[in-house]
Amino acid sequence: EPEVTQTPSHQVTQMGQEVILRCVPISNHLYFYWYRQILGQKVEFLVSFYNNEISEKSEIFDDQFSVERPDGSNFTLKIRSTKLEDSAMYFCASRQGGEQYFGPGTRLTVT
Amino acid sequence: GQQLNQSPQSMFIQEGEDVSMNCTSSSIFNTWLWYKQDPGEGPVLLIALYKAGELTSNGRLTAQFGITRKDSFLNISASIPSDVGIYFCAGQSVSGNTPLVFGKGTRLSVIA
Repeated sequence: EPEVTQTPSHQVTQMGQEVILRCVPISNHLYFYWYRQILGQKVEFLVSFYNNEISEKSEIFDDQFSVERPDGSNFTLKIRSTKLEDSAMYFCASRQGGEQYFGPGTRLTVT
Repeated sequence: GQQLNQSPQSMFIQEGEDVSMNCTSSSIFNTWLWYKQDPGEGPVLLIALYKAGELTSNGRLTAQFGITRKDSFLNISASIPSDVGIYFCAGQSVSGNTPLVFGKGTRLSVIA
């Protein structure tokens, strides 16, 4: 069964460093999303992406964040200068019809 | 922004018991989704609902899209130990590419 994959599973970085989180959405899906989940809290929307451009973004998705689909399979989230409060699980999702399927997540720890 | 109120926050039940949890909103949703999340993993889609009044089952799970379009419930029958996890409701307010709004989750513990 096709699934969303994400790498790395865990990323530790120092405050101020840039990180790139990678996702491979399900191959025939056209809509892509990034969400984050701070430990013990609910899942929060960051950004949606369709047709090679951002469709919608939340207040969390400020100028430090960017997304890219560099080729036909990868979908990346970049955080330019990480802050301690960026520590969270980051989930990629892709959509077919009304159903969003989530990847296993990348745990980002900023020290 | 839109908020989903999910209850209960946590439940401790005996194996074999039935479970019910629900989500309510002050605004209308066009789609309700129920996910299960195990520790350290991503949410796994359990059931998707698209129509007011719709009742859908997936094995021992049954979910309904409320008539008012402002609520949904999930029932689990005859719970088993592997049902342990956090269950999230998620709503989408319009068709298209609008993002999901998630509830805060119901943490289910099953005592064998």
